[in-house]
Amino acid sequence: GESVGLHLPTLSVQEGDNSIINCAYSNSASDYFIWYKQESGKGPQFIIDIRSNMDKRQGQRVTVLLNKTVKHLSLQIAATQPGDSAVYFCAETRGPSGGSYIPTFGRGTSLIVHP
Amino acid sequence: GAVVSQHPSWVICKSGTSVKIECRSLDFQATTMFWYRQFPKQSLMLMATSNEGSKATYEQGVEKDKFLINHASLTLSTLTVTSAHPEDSSFYICSAREGTSSYEQYFGPGTRLTVT
Repeated sequence: GESVGLHLPTLSVQEGDNSIINCAYSNSASDYFIWYKQESGKGPQFIIDIRSNMDKRQGQRVTVLLNKTVKHLSLQIAATQPGDSAVYFCAETRGPSGGSYIPTFGRGTSLIVHP
Repeated sequence: GAVVSQHPSWVICKSGTSVKIECRSLDFQATTMFWYRQFPKQSLMLMATSNEGSKATYEQGVEKDKFLINHASLTLSTLTVTSAHPEDSSFYICSAREGTSSYEQYFGPGTRLTVT
């Protein structure tokens, strides 16, 4: 299940289950969104991105859904594996029309996969 | 893919000393580099943005005299933490991108700084 701690929400799942990690973003003008995976002691690793003119994008075992109406982003991981255990961050950014192209990171969610 | 390295990967220094962290783009020219700070179980907070050959732009609340950033070439940026104190202990991450109007940026592996 999902719990919200003092700093970092945690999602615990069993190996093989599908995982859904949610993110609320703040700027309605953001036009590009990215999901990053960060393993302990390492830098963020790009997973998948989506532009604001799309509402869904699929990669290998991952799907990102974008709902601009409620400013919500989700990352779905199919058949979650122990190697997926990490902290996942969403990031929003704004490019053309006055944007800086600099991403703002969300709070992060810790995914724990139990074998 | 584009690779960004950082050196050192971890460093321990005494309070009051200065420490330099390097960020290098290995296979591309980084017009812009970014420095982030991350405390345990928290998100990445942007400290500053630097364009090659220009002075860095610091985010609100970040002391530019304490965190000196130099971006002297298209493949190297350095962050120097001056007169370090224990509260400066953190995970410092750099990222780099080609061009100033690009969504793509590539992250380094981070540097763990511990000030005793």
